[in-house]
Amino acid sequence: DVKVTQSSRYLVKRTGEKVFLECVQDMDHENMFWYRQDPGLGLRLIYFSYDVKMKEKGDIPEGYSVSREKKERFSLILESASTNQTSMYLCASSPIDPGQIKYVRNTGELFFGEGSRLTVL
Amino acid sequence: DAKTTQPTSMDCAEGRAANLPCNHSTISGNEYVYWYRQIHSQGPQYIIHGLKNNETNEMASLIITEDRKSSTLILPHATLRDTAVYYCIVSSGTASKLTFGTGTRLQVTL
Repeated sequence: DVKVTQSSRYLVKRTGEKVFLECVQDMDHENMFWYRQDPGLGLRLIYFSYDVKMKEKGDIPEGYSVSREKKERFSLILESASTNQTSMYLCASSPIDPGQIKYVRNTGELFFGEGSRLTVL
Repeated sequence: DAKTTQPTSMDCAEGRAANLPCNHSTISGNEYVYWYRQIHSQGPQYIIHGLKNNETNEMASLIITEDRKSSTLILPHATLRDTAVYYCIVSSGTASKLTFGTGTRLQVTL
């Protein structure tokens, strides 16, 4: 089974701290994603990556950065945490359709981790 | 990507079929219909997707109308473990984006 592992289920940080959320997948997927989930707002895409060292902004990238130095690992970084970044953070990965133009589409099947609940005080 | 409309919540008796509707009247020709679900305190889980034809797998069936403006996810014999939020998503599948709305909260009861 595909496994997407997020480093911490629960974190509590203080305003202004630098926060790293780590995600590792074990199925050699090209695409990786970071979402945040808030009540009433559904899941919102922060950043995604379709290859090592490649990244693209999602819908709400402000206040976040990402790093993908290895194919299996995608990190979300909060340079200076703020209280409005208190949320559930979800990492996902997906393969690319064989035969499709790379970077154009994926299968649409995302495999999610269990989430990291971050509280910023 | 086209927007979807789903009921906020539904109930279903255990053992009965759960039929979850989704409207996507602005869907375009190259857009797929995806269904995911999210059980409490877990990440979303892929269920099924389709373009034009009806699809079935071990989890569910997806029925897409001929004009593709709506679809129904069918869980043939719902169990308590199917209690979750179900998301209907329409997307062309470009590298970024499946946009998750707020979904339908399905409650399966005894």
